[in-house]
Amino acid sequence: GQQLNQSPQSMFIQEGEDVSMNCTSSSIFNTWLWYKQDPGEGPVLLIALYKAGELTSNGRLTAQFGITRKDSFLNISASIPSDVGIYFCAGQSPGGGNKLTFGTGTQLKVEL
Amino acid sequence: DTAVSQTPKYLVTQMGNDKSIKCEQNLGHDTMYWYKQDSKKFLKIMFSYNNKELIINETVPNRFSPKSPDKAHLNLHINSLELGDSAVYFCASSQGASGKTQYFGPGTRLLVL
Repeated sequence: GQQLNQSPQSMFIQEGEDVSMNCTSSSIFNTWLWYKQDPGEGPVLLIALYKAGELTSNGRLTAQFGITRKDSFLNISASIPSDVGIYFCAGQSPGGGNKLTFGTGTQLKVEL
Repeated sequence: DTAVSQTPKYLVTQMGNDKSIKCEQNLGHDTMYWYKQDSKKFLKIMFSYNNKELIINETVPNRFSPKSPDKAHLNLHINSLELGDSAVYFCASSQGASGKTQYFGPGTRLLVL
């Protein structure tokens, strides 16, 4: 089946630093979503992208839908301790109904 | 107000037992899903229902049987539980069955002993 490669697998950064993570696919998607999962909770939607090239911000978060439709990245600026968690990309493929394929996740840890 | 809720939050049971997990959403959505998250945190879709009809059925053992009594509920029944069924099961919902954002419940942590 489709694979979504997400990198890095984990990051350990200082508070205040900017963070960047990305997701690549072997095939095209028509929707990219970024979720965050806190320990013991379900994934929470951060940003949704619906168009190739689209750049969308949500507070300190910015995500882009790659022009090839096979990748997406998420940036977090000026990280704070509550940014800790696992970040997942997810994509929906053309003709795939509403099936979401998830990336492998990026574990973010913030050092004070 | 809880948008997508699941019960129970924790479930510990013996191998071979039959158990059910319930999901309810109060968002007015017409599509609901079940996902399985393994110990490595990998999330994979299992089933999807749109207006009470099954639209996605991934390669899941037939010991797993979803049931949607109405648009707001999607339950998951698991027969003859196996050790490998231990995971976190997430319910999600969306409005529409194509290209729509999915909202997740808090998860049910299943441990099979």
